Amino acid sequence: GDSVTQMEGPVTLSEEAFLTINCTYTATGYPSLFWYVQYPGEGLQLLLKATKADDKGSNKGFEATYRKETTSFHLEKGSVQVSDSAVYFCASFSGYSTLTFGKGTMLLVSP
Amino acid sequence: GAGVSQSPSNKVTEKGKDVELRCDPISGHTALYWYRQSLGQGLEFLIYFQGNSAPDKSGLPSDRFSAERTGGSVSTLTIQRTQQEDSAVYLCASSLVEGPNSPLHFGNGTRLTVT
Repeated sequence: GDSVTQMEGPVTLSEEAFLTINCTYTATGYPSLFWYVQYPGEGLQLLLKATKADDKGSNKGFEATYRKETTSFHLEKGSVQVSDSAVYFCASFSGYSTLTFGKGTMLLVSP
Repeated sequence: GAGVSQSPSNKVTEKGKDVELRCDPISGHTALYWYRQSLGQGLEFLIYFQGNSAPDKSGLPSDRFSAERTGGSVSTLTIQRTQQEDSAVYLCASSLVEGPNSPLHFGNGTRLTVT
């Protein structure tokens, strides 16, 4: 089955720093890839997605590019804000039943 | 509009007791998923419903766990004879249809503590 590996946190950054959270996947075929975000006290919500190789998903200043050759979907943001502090989950979907998540990476942004 | 609603938000129970967790999906969403979120373990898939049937229940950790969905809407996850290792946040999600182009909408979860 699918598996998703993402970097362990917490990732601690100062406001306006550049963010990268690494994510790699193993899957049968070509999965769709997602980043979900969980803000403190809230449920998970979809941040961005990419459904085929070389697609770039983007939302709220975050971007991730589907790299088939490296089986990666790293999340990036050029300038983080305190309000970006949350747990970020990378996920893959290659079947019609389950979304497979990574273990999550906590991001802490200080002013 | 209403999102996915889960109840209770918190549940403390004694080891050996049975618990029921409820999920009200977004109206009209045909697919419903249960996940478990444990510290350091990420999100673990439990079971998936399409309508009232469960094509994939491969993630249920033991026969103490069961789930049903009625009327293509509300779902209940039941844990019998709870154990301390069952302590986790149980998340429910729904999507309009199954498949990668229909994003999952998550509830805020039920935090279960087994003492």
